[in-house]
Amino acid sequence: EIVLTQSPGTLSLSPGERATLSCRASQNVSSRSLAWYQQRPGQAPRLLIYGVSTRATGIPDRFSGSGSGTDFTLTISRLGPEDFAMYYCQQYGRSPLFGPGTKVDIK
Amino acid sequence: QVQLVEYGGGVVQPGRSLRLSCAASGFTFSTYAMHWVRQAPGKGLEWVAGISHDGSDKYYADSVKGRFTLSRDIPKNTLYLQMKSLRAEDTAVYYCARDIVTVTSGVFDHWGQGTLVTVSS
Repeated sequence: EIVLTQSPGTLSLSPGERATLSCRASQNVSSRSLAWYQQRPGQAPRLLIYGVSTRATGIPDRFSGSGSGTDFTLTISRLGPEDFAMYYCQQYGRSPLFGPGTKVDIK
Repeated sequence: QVQLVEYGGGVVQPGRSLRLSCAASGFTFSTYAMHWVRQAPGKGLEWVAGISHDGSDKYYADSVKGRFTLSRDIPKNTLYLQMKSLRAEDTAVYYCARDIVTVTSGVFDHWGQGTLVTVSS
C-alpha cells in the first residue's frame, strides 16, 4: 500500500516569498496520478494541480507542480495573502489517497 | 455554476445509521463520477467512496467497506451515502465532491461545504 509523506509539516514564510512543498510516495506513482489541493481554514478543499503539473481551471500561474516517480513538488512563486493555507498532495485512482498536509503560515 | 450541497449530518449514537445526501446543480449530474471525502476534526482528508457517472461502478475505502453504501438518483440530481454501524472514528465533516470525468479518476474539481457527522453516546 502506497504511503504519501509531505514536508515540511509547517512552512513559515512572508508574503511575496517563494514556497516549495514536497510530497514523497513510498512507491512509484503511476500514470502521473498526482494532484494538489489547497484548504483554507473553515473551507472545503480546492483542486490546484492534477496530472503532476496541470493547473485546474481558474488557478493562477504562480502555482506550479513538478516531479516524477516518487518525488513531487508544489511551488508557489510569490505568496499572496490568500495562499496561507493547508496543502495536501493526493495520489489518485480507484482508491485515492491524501498526504498528511503542509501548513503554510505567515512568518 | 456548480453547486454541491450536503445535508443529513448530525449527532448519532455508536452502532446506529445515518444517511447523507448531496444535492447537485449547475452541471449535468449524469455525466460525472461523484465521491464522498471526510475530514475528522483537526485531521487530514480521507477518501470514503466513489461512484461512476451511471452508478454502475462503486468503490469504497477499506475503513467503511461493508458498512457504507453509495448511491445516486440521477433524475433527482442527488448523491447519497448510507452509513450503518457507525463508530466514533467515523466522526468527521463529510464532503461531497465531483470527479473531473465520468469514471472514478479520483480527481475532485468541485466540493460541497460539508456536513458534520458526530458519533457519540
